Amino acid sequence: DTEVTQTPKHLVMGMTNKKSLKCEQHMGHRAMYWYKQKAKKPPELMFVYSYEKLSINESVPSRFSPECPNSSLLNLHLHALQPEDSALYLCASSPGDRLLRDNNQPQHFGDGTRLSIL
Amino acid sequence: DAKTTQPNSMESNEEEPVHLPCNHSTISGTDYIHWYRQLPSQGPEYVIHGLTSNVNNRMASLAIAEDRKSSTLILHRATLRDAAVYYCILRGYQKVTFGIGTKLQVIP
Repeated sequence: DTEVTQTPKHLVMGMTNKKSLKCEQHMGHRAMYWYKQKAKKPPELMFVYSYEKLSINESVPSRFSPECPNSSLLNLHLHALQPEDSALYLCASSPGDRLLRDNNQPQHFGDGTRLSIL
Repeated sequence: DAKTTQPNSMESNEEEPVHLPCNHSTISGTDYIHWYRQLPSQGPEYVIHGLTSNVNNRMASLAIAEDRKSSTLILHRATLRDAAVYYCILRGYQKVTFGIGTKLQVIP
């Protein structure tokens, strides 16, 4: 069991659908991350929220829309995705730092949502 | 951006030590070196991290070269449960760079 919970575990959607991925942690962490992982590849950073504010957007297409409604929750809203967006989407959290100098903090990962676009 | 280089795969016999290398010749002064491992169908799991000095914890040891251009993750006695993909990662301020990962096979 991980301390970062992601739902759903699997999601199949059409290219015209709108869906959301959810991530929750109750460790009091203030930094939360979204990663995308294609098969047999390392995770790629998509977004970082620090103290509920978006601090990094790694040039992700606008069909992916992140949201951090409070310090425990992180959502990823999906709309008009393409087949190449099929991947494992991982959420992670770390304690956070108001000066964004959190590079010495371990990240805690969830087990991901496996997304398939038809 | 700084990059890391790792071998694609390695093998180890059970109960033998394993040394997993990582090259990061373009590391910057503020980059920490992190190691994570990932089992199939799971998210990455934190193993260890360090800046300049060698580090030990209950899972592993991390040896960092004096010039910081390379590091080695040491598993002291490999078990079957250590079979996973091991990622060497550089973490700077607001950036995370994963290596391609080394798939470790442990032979009984």
